[in-house]
Amino acid sequence: GAGVSQSPSNKVTEKGKDVELRCDPISGHTALYWYRQSLGQGLEFLIYFQGNSAPDKSGLPSDRFSAERTGGSVSTLTIQRTQQEDSAVYLCASSLAGQGRGYTFGSGTRLTVV
Amino acid sequence: GESVGLHLPTLSVQEGDNSIINCAYSNSASDYFIWYKQESGKGPQFIIDIRSNMDKRQGQRVTVLLNKTVKHLSLQIAATQPGDSAVYFCAESFTSGTYKYIFGTGTRLKVLA
Repeated sequence: GAGVSQSPSNKVTEKGKDVELRCDPISGHTALYWYRQSLGQGLEFLIYFQGNSAPDKSGLPSDRFSAERTGGSVSTLTIQRTQQEDSAVYLCASSLAGQGRGYTFGSGTRLTVV
Repeated sequence: GESVGLHLPTLSVQEGDNSIINCAYSNSASDYFIWYKQESGKGPQFIIDIRSNMDKRQGQRVTVLLNKTVKHLSLQIAATQPGDSAVYFCAESFTSGTYKYIFGTGTRLKVLA
């Protein structure tokens, strides 16, 4: 596609429920990233996928968070047993490997845990 | 300025004036820096980048200045327009072109008509 697409754009869920957030990167971009942006804060790195390499999961805040990327394209971020502190905007970005000029971000999924 | 809790530092500028947004980065080993602009409800958008072997880089109406001595980055916007109203983030990385960036907390720019 022309840009990075994320769905849903907004998600309200009850505490304790599982949620799945989806990211469709730009076609041909081999690198995909997930970041989290809490209200009034900067972006917090969560996970990075590059081609067929093992993902860098060093930013995932707990074992309730997981992500996968199927076929080197679409990625899903899953949060199990959601907590109120998980409320944030989850941003996905993609880039060409080695491009070195930053990412192209999606518009994010705003997650609210009530 | 430093952000406190939920409150982003805010810069209010009259339309047509120049804006200067500042950022203190954390790692003296960082060698690549980017400025992003984030409008309400959208993801951050690349504005301009600079490598550590430079101290100044100019784009269209924007200039980035890098002072490695004090680990300071600034973004200058000339002739600020209403469309420049947004949150601006700086990001640093430790190795040129690496995938992982450290983002600052952001500065909100408000352009006054």
